[in-house]
Amino acid sequence: AQSVAQPEDQVNVAEGNPLTVKCTYSVSGNPYLFWYVQYPNRGLQFLLKYITGDNLVKGSYGFEAEFNKSQTSFHLKKPSALVSDSALYFCAVRDALSAGGYNKLIFGAGTRLAVHP
Amino acid sequence: SAVISQKPSRDICQRGTSLTIQCQVDSQVTMMFWYRQQPGQSLTLIATANQGSEATYESGFVIDKFPISRPNLTFSTLTVSNMSPEDSSIYLCSASNRGNGEQYFGPGTRLTVT
Repeated sequence: AQSVAQPEDQVNVAEGNPLTVKCTYSVSGNPYLFWYVQYPNRGLQFLLKYITGDNLVKGSYGFEAEFNKSQTSFHLKKPSALVSDSALYFCAVRDALSAGGYNKLIFGAGTRLAVHP
Repeated sequence: SAVISQKPSRDICQRGTSLTIQCQVDSQVTMMFWYRQQPGQSLTLIATANQGSEATYESGFVIDKFPISRPNLTFSTLTVSNMSPEDSSIYLCSASNRGNGEQYFGPGTRLTVT
């Protein structure tokens, strides 16, 4: 079965420190992977994606993610966290088994990032 | 990327009534999706709406409860029918043009049923 796991409900980081939000996946075929961020009372905002190519993907707001095929992981990273990065982060993978080419996404449970001053 | 708006942004409704949520995209898109999200929780896909065809519903969601329209390539509506307090949630629409699964989301509609 295809799935995405975010093993941490919450990640706490001090401002200025590097942050990592973890994601592992299980899919059939090549994975198409995404990270989204949700600020309070807002919709999801697209951060970055991995389709093919370099394993290190750079995205919005200084975030990047590293695709690791052997570990089936796609961890989100940022070298220096900001208080304004505090939000709910979702990892997602394209459902390769979507019928009719609808390209549904399978979302992880979400990880709440709290950056403390 | 596409810019997506939703109306209403929030509403408080009485049980037994229905609410229609509108989703407008600033460009033509192939696929639109409707999700439900409890605050702080993950997203649950309700259905996929493609222009010119019936919506495709996920397990646990039925057309009678969540009828969807997709009259053109920039607009869709979701109706939550015969509401109960269990329908209180955030409803999100998204749009996609890309075969890789990339989606863009609206701001959501926060529904409270009393």
